[in-house]
Order: sequence, then C-alpha cells, then structure tokens
Amino acid sequence: DAGVIQSPRHEVTEMGQEVTLRCKPISGHDYLFWYRQTMMRGLELLIYFNNNVPIDDSGMPEDRFSAKMPNASFSTLKIQPSEPRDSAVYFCASSLSFGLSYEQYFGPGTRLTVT
Amino acid sequence: AQSVSQHNHHVILSEAASLELGCNYSYGGTVNLFWYVQYPGQHLQLLLKYFSGDPLVKGIKGFEAEFIKSKFSFNLRKPSVQWSDTAEYFCAVNPVGAGNMLTFGGGTRLMVKP
Repeated sequence: DAGVIQSPRHEVTEMGQEVTLRCKPISGHDYLFWYRQTMMRGLELLIYFNNNVPIDDSGMPEDRFSAKMPNASFSTLKIQPSEPRDSAVYFCASSLSFGLSYEQYFGPGTRLTVT
Repeated sequence: AQSVSQHNHHVILSEAASLELGCNYSYGGTVNLFWYVQYPGQHLQLLLKYFSGDPLVKGIKGFEAEFIKSKFSFNLRKPSVQWSDTAEYFCAVNPVGAGNMLTFGGGTRLMVKP
C-alpha cells in the first residue's frame, strides 16, 4: 500500500488566496483526520471523519477553514481566504476501526506558506 | 475532556546516554496508549503501542514504554540513545469507546549529540 497520500507537498500562496489541500487515505480505512502543526501550537486536531461523515470539527480555527470527504478515498481541507498565520504543516492521517487497532497512519504533510 | 502531558519539552543527551521521556494522561477509564516519533522534516510514525496485557511494551529501534495505571503514566525509555534518535516524540491516548480519535501530548524534542 502506498500509505496516506497528500498533495501538494509544498504550497506557497499570497494572503487572501484560496488554498486547497488534498488527502487520499489508506484504502479500506474508515477514519480520516486533519491535523495542523506549528512551532508555537504543536500538533492540533482540526477535524475528523468516520465513514466520510464529519464527527468533530471543533478544532477548525474559524469559518475560513472547511473540510469535505466526498468519498472514502478522498478528502480536502480548504482555507479561504488564507492568512499568514495559517502557515503550518498540515497532516492527514487515516485509521481502521475494524480489529480495534486505533493506530493512525500519517501522510507526509503539506507545508503551507502564506505570504 | 482527556489531556496528555509531556513535561519535558526539550531534552539534550549525548550518545549512549539513557533516555526516559515522561507522559501522563488525565482520563479515569480504560485507555490505549501510543508513542509516535517524528524525525526532522518527516511525518509521524508509530514507535510502540499498548492495548492490554504486559504493561512493559517493546517497540522498534530499541524503545520500550511502561504503563503504570496507578500513576496514569506511559513513559518512554531507551537504554542507550544514538544520534539517529534525534527527533520529536509524541505520546497519545485513545480512551476506549472514543472511536479512533487520539489525543496527543505537546511533544518532546530530543537532540542527541554525537
């Protein structure tokens, strides 16, 4: 298996632009998580899905952030409009509830820089 | 809500020194416990996990962790660190019955001097 795939790996954009981050979870996994990592705030859970349904989005910073999971193999995290304080590494992770594993597998991350 | 505390934010060791990183959680029920490692510029990878049974868990690369229920702790240890262990280490907790969500600690940055 290719693991969790994220694109793009790096994104540089100007303040006010729309940014879309993409994630393909491991095939068969039924949970998907979006995290943000910064030096100041560490690793933060933004939102997670179970069977494509958002379960908890309390970590989403504000209305500028939105996430969707239209099917089991694809999710997007959108920031509109972007701001310099959104600069961070965004990780996607997936896991499988069957077998009670609970282990999350992380993607390589998208490094976002907003200027 | 549960929380996870990693009291050591930065640790600097020389090669061959012994390592112990602290992890405490606040949750009264049954938990599953994890340690993840993040090497510089890379994503988080699972180091070891505890679900049940022997409270001393052995993971990859010579790491081990001990679950002490009475202390709500799950400390990570390695008898002799190497320069390649330089990384950030995250403890995570999954309360049983909470689905697959993990609560992560703030992380501990380990630097091993050659």
